[in-house]
Amino acid sequence: TQLLEQSPQFLSIQEGENLTVYCNSSSVFSSLQWYRQEPGEGPVLLVTVVTGGEVKKLKRLTFQFGDARKDSSLHITAAQPGDTGLYLCAGGGGAVGGSEKLVFGKGTKLTVNP
Amino acid sequence: DAEITQSPRHKITETGRQVTLACHQTWNHNNMFWYRQDLGHGLRLIHYSYGVQDTNKGEVSDGYSVSRSNTEDLPLTLESAASSQTSVYFCASSEPDQETQYFGPGTRLLVL
Repeated sequence: TQLLEQSPQFLSIQEGENLTVYCNSSSVFSSLQWYRQEPGEGPVLLVTVVTGGEVKKLKRLTFQFGDARKDSSLHITAAQPGDTGLYLCAGGGGAVGGSEKLVFGKGTKLTVNP
Repeated sequence: DAEITQSPRHKITETGRQVTLACHQTWNHNNMFWYRQDLGHGLRLIHYSYGVQDTNKGEVSDGYSVSRSNTEDLPLTLESAASSQTSVYFCASSEPDQETQYFGPGTRLLVL
């Protein structure tokens, strides 16, 4: 059973468009993390959200943790080709059974066309 | 700068052979993890360790083993490689009580 469901699985957009990626679960997590992975490399952490309702911004990226700490979203404003990559959400604690382990969603593959 | 390295980066082997993938980190992190990444499945946890001499099974541990003799290294061994173990393998590390994980560059393994 996949604890974290990400949608959409694939997303292809034009430069300048906005997009939102969702990460949903029926389980509660102590934290939600977003990673970005480029081809041939390992995932790199973008942000960690730990408080229900928390919103964090990283330049054109906005991350939100749901009030009940079961879901999260990533919104990109005015996407650029450099945003292309695989975006992974990961949940820790609570449902995972140990705060140091993570469970990952399957990822959203984003392509931003010039 | 601290880093986490994996070797080899690419490996081709035959079914039935024993294969060991190396993971070395200079972060001095107690926690280390091995994942496999496959299309349609995302990252799945194979084994993890919270310190020297500590090892634990993850979600997909069958056919794999690890040992932790020092802080820096967590080698992953495929006892008898199977075609189903063709995948990209990632090693990661983290500090105690911290959920942020730092990933290596991955090893692409092909079992023929």
